[in-house]
Amino acid sequence: DQQVKQNSPSLSVQEGRISILNCDYTNSMFDYFLWYKKYPAEGPTFLISISSIKDKNEDGRFTVFLNKSAKHLSLHIVPSQPGDSAVYFCAAPVGSGTYKYIFGTGTRLKVLA
Amino acid sequence: EAGVAQSPRYKIIEKRQSVAFWCNPISGHATLYWYQQILGQGPKLLIQFQNNGVVDDSQLPKDRFSAERLKGVDSTLKIQPAKLEDSAVYLCASSLVLGRTDTQYFGPGTRLTVL
Repeated sequence: DQQVKQNSPSLSVQEGRISILNCDYTNSMFDYFLWYKKYPAEGPTFLISISSIKDKNEDGRFTVFLNKSAKHLSLHIVPSQPGDSAVYFCAAPVGSGTYKYIFGTGTRLKVLA
Repeated sequence: EAGVAQSPRYKIIEKRQSVAFWCNPISGHATLYWYQQILGQGPKLLIQFQNNGVVDDSQLPKDRFSAERLKGVDSTLKIQPAKLEDSAVYLCASSLVLGRTDTQYFGPGTRLTVL
């Protein structure tokens, strides 16, 4: 039972264009989401988060949008740069009292120079 | 600020052998996590410590996996005996406290190959 889903395993985008990475979730009780970026041979690095009281959170070139009714979030990278080429995971904390992250399967982004 | 340290970075063993991984979290972080990431999947939590106590080990295959966190700082994860399906990257993460919105910081991981 995959509660957080990333249906696109890979995405290629030209440098300077917008990259849009998508994530769907099944549990309407989820109220906080995170995006992590992972380079090869490194651990995931926190990128940006969003609480369900917001529908948008922006940090520089990165913006996360949350559509609660559709149980969908997306990460926009504008403009995309070759250094953004990595695997991106969305995650949500679950639990009560103790929390663990449930991760999606990841989307591999390749930004072409 | 130093990040989460893990060793070794790579390990190759035969099935039925044992292996141990070490993790040193960010200084002052009370919560420590071990994740297993199989190729093509997202990380999956194996065990979670708050200081030196276990708060969640529901996904840990306890017949072969064990973990401890000595003095609430460093942690070791052991597999004995290893199976082919244990081939994965083992990630250690830490967070300041155990809150829903507390960011987890990951180490570089140990890539285990079981032959």
